[in-house]
Amino acid sequence: GAVVSQHPSRVICKSGTSVKIECRSLDFQATTMFWYRQFPKQSLMLMATSNEGSKATYEQGVEKDKFLINHASLTLSTLTVTSAHPEDSSFYICSARVDRNQPQHFGDGTRLSIL
Amino acid sequence: GQQVMQIPQYQHVQEGEDFTTYCNSSTTLSNIQWYKQRPGGHPVFFIQLVKSGEVKKQKRLTFQFGEAKKNSSLHITATQTTDVGTYFCAGNTGGFKTIFGAGTRLFVKA
Repeated sequence: GAVVSQHPSRVICKSGTSVKIECRSLDFQATTMFWYRQFPKQSLMLMATSNEGSKATYEQGVEKDKFLINHASLTLSTLTVTSAHPEDSSFYICSARVDRNQPQHFGDGTRLSIL
Repeated sequence: GQQVMQIPQYQHVQEGEDFTTYCNSSTTLSNIQWYKQRPGGHPVFFIQLVKSGEVKKQKRLTFQFGEAKKNSSLHITATQTTDVGTYFCAGNTGGFKTIFGAGTRLFVKA
């Protein structure tokens, strides 16, 4: 149980392209989903917290117009990297949890490479 | 702001040696969670500790939550090469956000 599917797993695209990443909880309803960014050999950097039906809460230093988050249902959240540039290249991971007393379950991550 | 400090950052061990990683929070936690991330993979949930002084075991792994609910440890007895990866603690104060430690990367030499 507690499976989170993240798609796509890898994206390679040209600078200026917008990229959409989907995160789905397959067998549970997630009141909260999280989006992280991870640089090589680094820890998880929380970008934003997303609650179903409301606006995402972004961490300090994360541009909300650059990283658009939509949490349309209890099983789906999307992250759109708008007009991506090489510095946006990174490993993006989503996680989902049922409620604040439950652990987070992570997707497989998306490796984004902007040329 | 709330912080979760995790040490050490790296640990190299010989297969068969023990390994411990420690987490300390600047504030009292409602629970603490442990995750493992294999190289190239995503974090996978191990266990959650809720009670003061709680100790839980999973085979060779022992998890402890401090009496003050501000610190925690993960101890691996007799490491194996399959234990390689990064171990993260994550503390929750009861709010929406869970604060992850920086992680401890474990290297096991056969």
